[in-house]
Amino acid sequence: QKEVEQNSGPLSVPEGAIASLNCTYSDRGSQSFFWYRQYSGKSPELIMSIYSNGDKEDGRFTAQLNKASQYVSLLIRDSQPSDSATYLCAVNRGSSNTGKLIFGQGTTLQVKP
Amino acid sequence: GAVVSQHPSWVICKSGTSVKIECRSLDFQATTMFWYRQFPKQSLMLMATSNEGSKATYEQGVEKDKFLINHASLTLSTLTVTSAHPEDSSFYICTLSRQRGPSPLHFGNGTRLTVT
Repeated sequence: QKEVEQNSGPLSVPEGAIASLNCTYSDRGSQSFFWYRQYSGKSPELIMSIYSNGDKEDGRFTAQLNKASQYVSLLIRDSQPSDSATYLCAVNRGSSNTGKLIFGQGTTLQVKP
Repeated sequence: GAVVSQHPSWVICKSGTSVKIECRSLDFQATTMFWYRQFPKQSLMLMATSNEGSKATYEQGVEKDKFLINHASLTLSTLTVTSAHPEDSSFYICTLSRQRGPSPLHFGNGTRLTVT
């Protein structure tokens, strides 16, 4: 079992729709969770961080965390073609902040005009 | 603004040569930096943790004698790929965390290494 799992996609949604990206992790001790967006050939950029169970909203983005189910998701409302990218779920290894992030393989999102 | 500056952004070298990649923290004294590697269509994998003034900590399976890391100051860490081979061709990215406790990593722009 991979430590962080994501569906590689591609996930295709029409412009204006809600895109839902999912991620599961195996380490129950993990406390920090992040979503990064990566355009082709570029370095990842941070979209959201979440540390507590529940929802966290930032503009069109909502991160959801359920530690009991070891599940974290990212919702993108009003999807735009510019949102087309690979979205990486990252989990801090263990309960301490060592800066060692374990990344999922990423989900490719395609937003079609 | 940018937190981490990485140089060069891309490099092509011949097999057997060495390549040095620099990672600079622009506005923060980083005692710890991290080096990741990403092969095409794969996710990021942590290679090593760079500690200022001490030896780097390498992840399992990463050859410390091949990937030399030097963190001589609080704002600069370097990764040298020694005796590069085509299989070392990858996207190398440095990161740092700006604060203690749970916090996200800030990535450099990455270095695309191609070994011919």
